[in-house]
Amino acid sequence: SYELTQPLSVSVALGQTARITCGGNNIGSKNVHWYQQKPGQAPVLVIYRDSNRPSGIPERFSGSNSGNTATLTISRAQAGDEADYYCQVWDSSTAVFGGGTKLTVL
Amino acid sequence: QVQLQESGPGLVKPSQTLSLTCTVSGGSISSGDYYWSWIRQPPGKGLEWIGYIYYSGSTYYNPSLKSRVTISVDTSKNQFSLKLSSVTAADTAVYYCARVVPAAMVGAFDIWGQGTMVTVSS
Repeated sequence: SYELTQPLSVSVALGQTARITCGGNNIGSKNVHWYQQKPGQAPVLVIYRDSNRPSGIPERFSGSNSGNTATLTISRAQAGDEADYYCQVWDSSTAVFGGGTKLTVL
Repeated sequence: QVQLQESGPGLVKPSQTLSLTCTVSGGSISSGDYYWSWIRQPPGKGLEWIGYIYYSGSTYYNPSLKSRVTISVDTSKNQFSLKLSSVTAADTAVYYCARVVPAAMVGAFDIWGQGTMVTVSS
């Protein structure tokens, strides 16, 4: 089965840029989606199809995908961005999620 | 706007069947533009996809749960449901229903319910 690998945690200073990676075999050939989940809340879609933002998601959130790594980039990080982030793809009609990354804003 | 709401028992005994329903409001489950899915999250852990259903009734399940899962749809009530049989403590989780956008979003889960906690315990 297909696996997605994310770092357990990423830290970023307030106002700086955070990058969260999602590794998978030839993930660049797949469409990657990213979700933000704050404590006690349901996940929220922040990036779809590698680099597209749903309505209402700030431009500070961006994504890229190439080779074996997809990346979620959060520019000018704010305290409110502190959350768990999950990447997700489809493989053989099965949805696969990464293990999640806890983003801490210092 | 479309909203999803899970409902069902919060406590299920081991070996019994977990049953949950997701009610869709603000839009029709029969529109044909979306798939409807169940996802779960054990306490302190990550997300696990359970399966999806189309309004026509066609389904696809996570192979790891396939033998125990049934997802059904009731278009007259604008609802879809999850049944998970022979539950154990490992099935304790927050269960979410979510909408899948197959076309433009290529399978992103764009709308989620608030989630419902189900505990398996005697």
